[in-house]
Parts: sequence; C-alpha cells; structure tokens
Amino acid sequence: AQKVTQAQTEISVVEKEDVTLDCVYETRDTTYYLFWYKQPPSGELVFLIRRNSFDEQNEISGRYSWNFQKSTSSFNFTITASQVVDSAVYFCALALVKAAGNKLTFGGGTRVLVKP
Amino acid sequence: DAGVTQSPTHLIKTRGQQVTLRCSPISGHKSVSWYQQVLGQGPQFIFQYYEKEERGRGNFPDRFSARQFPNYSSELNVNALLLGDSALYLCASSHRQGNYEQYFGPGTRLTVT
Repeated sequence: AQKVTQAQTEISVVEKEDVTLDCVYETRDTTYYLFWYKQPPSGELVFLIRRNSFDEQNEISGRYSWNFQKSTSSFNFTITASQVVDSAVYFCALALVKAAGNKLTFGGGTRVLVKP
Repeated sequence: DAGVTQSPTHLIKTRGQQVTLRCSPISGHKSVSWYQQVLGQGPQFIFQYYEKEERGRGNFPDRFSARQFPNYSSELNVNALLLGDSALYLCASSHRQGNYEQYFGPGTRLTVT
C-alpha cells in the first residue's frame, strides 16, 4: 500500500520569508508520479507540479521550487520570498502507474499562513 | 475554457437520506474522478470513470455509487447518509486513462445532520 506523509500540519511565516514544505512517500512500486496541489480557502485544488519517478531533476518555477530525492523518498516544496497570496493548504500526492484508476493518494496537508 | 464545474455548491441533508452530486469535466477530458475530503484531512479517492466505465474504486462502502454519461459528465450518489459522510466532495477530470494530471472542481460541501 502507498502512503504520503506531510509531518508539518501548519507553518506560519512573515511575508518575504522562505518556507519549505516536507513530503515523504512510501511505495514499493518503481513507477509512480508525485504531485503538489494548493488549496486556497475557496476549496478548489490547484495543480502545481507533477514529477515522474525517473526524473530526479529539481525544478524551479518562479518563486516555487521542488526537490525530489528517491534515496530518501522525499519530494519537498519551497516557496521563496513568500507572499500573503501563498496562504493556503498544500497537499503532496502520489499516483502509482500500475494501480487501477487515476488514483491520487494525498498526504494530510500543510497549512501555510503568510503574515504581512 | 471553462474548468471543472460541480453542482450544487452546498447541500444539507438528514441522516438516512440520499444525495446526488454532479460534475462536468473540462471540455475534451474523458476521465472523471471523485474524492471525499473530510475537514482537516487530505482528499480520499472514491471512484474513477473513463469512457463511461468504472476504472478504479477506493475503500468506500457500497452506499457510494457513480456513473458517467456519454458527454463525460458524472454523478456521484450516496445512499443512507451518515453523519460521517459530511465532507467536501471533489471532482477531478483528466484527458484520458493513465493521465494523472488531474484538474479539480470547486467541490460540493455536503452537511449531514
């Protein structure tokens, strides 16, 4: 069975600080995808990134960056120079290619509060 | 292009009643998945449908059922509602089977009293 753990339940920062969200996953499969989603107060999950298990290159998109390390089964997410609009709950998720259905297994989420 | 749409946005039901939630995927998307998100937790996978067939099912009781229509829209039905069914029900669409890049709708907030 697969599992995603986000140990940080809530992080509070002051605007312009960097914030790193941890994600640790468990699976015996070798082919899988990892995701990050943002859930603002409106409730809609917003897709941020998808990485496959064979691509360990780190990725940067604007103020967002992701660090994927298979050796530690981690897929961490950093927001640089945080802004108030970054306040939301962030979810890490895992999808197994062999599993039936497009099933995403989500972690419990990390609430990020950015104060002005 | 319009995103994933869901109706209704909010719903209040009594224990034992039945409820139907509706979802319209992004135009061109043929796969629809349903998730349940209890307050304070991550979403839990309920079903996935592709080309009107069930392709995946999560660990939910038979009280939960779904179907997909020829226009790829979908309905989620929950019978004999329990207080524990109170949650945000999210619908997600993707282009095809095996495409894991899913786009979510705003959800339907179900409250069971």
